[in-house]
Amino acid sequence: EVQLLESGGGLVQRGGSLRLSCTASGFTFNKYAMSWVRQAPGKGLEWVSSISGNAEDTYYADSVKGRFTTSRDNPKNTLDLQMNNLRADDTAVYYCAKYSYISGSYSLDYWGQGTLVSVSS
Amino acid sequence: EIVLTQSPGTLSLTPGERATLSCRASHYIHYMYLAWYQQKPGQAPRLLIYGASSRATGIPDRFSGSGSETDFTLTISSLEPEDFAVYYCQVYGDSPRFTFGQGTKLEIK
Repeated sequence: EVQLLESGGGLVQRGGSLRLSCTASGFTFNKYAMSWVRQAPGKGLEWVSSISGNAEDTYYADSVKGRFTTSRDNPKNTLDLQMNNLRADDTAVYYCAKYSYISGSYSLDYWGQGTLVSVSS
Repeated sequence: EIVLTQSPGTLSLTPGERATLSCRASHYIHYMYLAWYQQKPGQAPRLLIYGASSRATGIPDRFSGSGSETDFTLTISSLEPEDFAVYYCQVYGDSPRFTFGQGTKLEIK
């Protein structure tokens, strides 16, 4: 059974830093790209970042580029999101999610339960 | 950058009725890059449909997806009480990145 478990959320002051982690199990972790997706309170879903299975390639939304860094440790089956210079509009539930590629399609087929990041001003 | 516009914003129906949710892209997208998700309050999103029309594992056959180019539809043939939720469409685009629509809330009338 695929499981994704996020941790590391909490309350942080504006301009501060936080590191989120996602521990994966139930699939061959290094064979799949992973993503972070966030959801501000009462709002929709916003893609934040993706990282390739071999960790060589990372991609970021414009809203977080230069402030957030995604990394992964394949032997440990963990995915991390280092968030620096946090702003009030970074307040959201952060989900890690596993890529699915089937017959040329791309989607996110498994999601963690999410971890809440609150940035105080 | 592709923008996905979902309509209606809110859909009020009763159990047993048919639901039709729309997702319109600002320009052409390959149908294989279009997916649909369901999200219930306090829960993570769940993948329903990938490749515009293929059901994900464990998804009941009352859920179906269709469409091409810029217009896509999620249909729920006969609503069950557990289907009332928010639905998002998603496209996988260049960069690469995922872009989501703003969501359609399906509520009990």
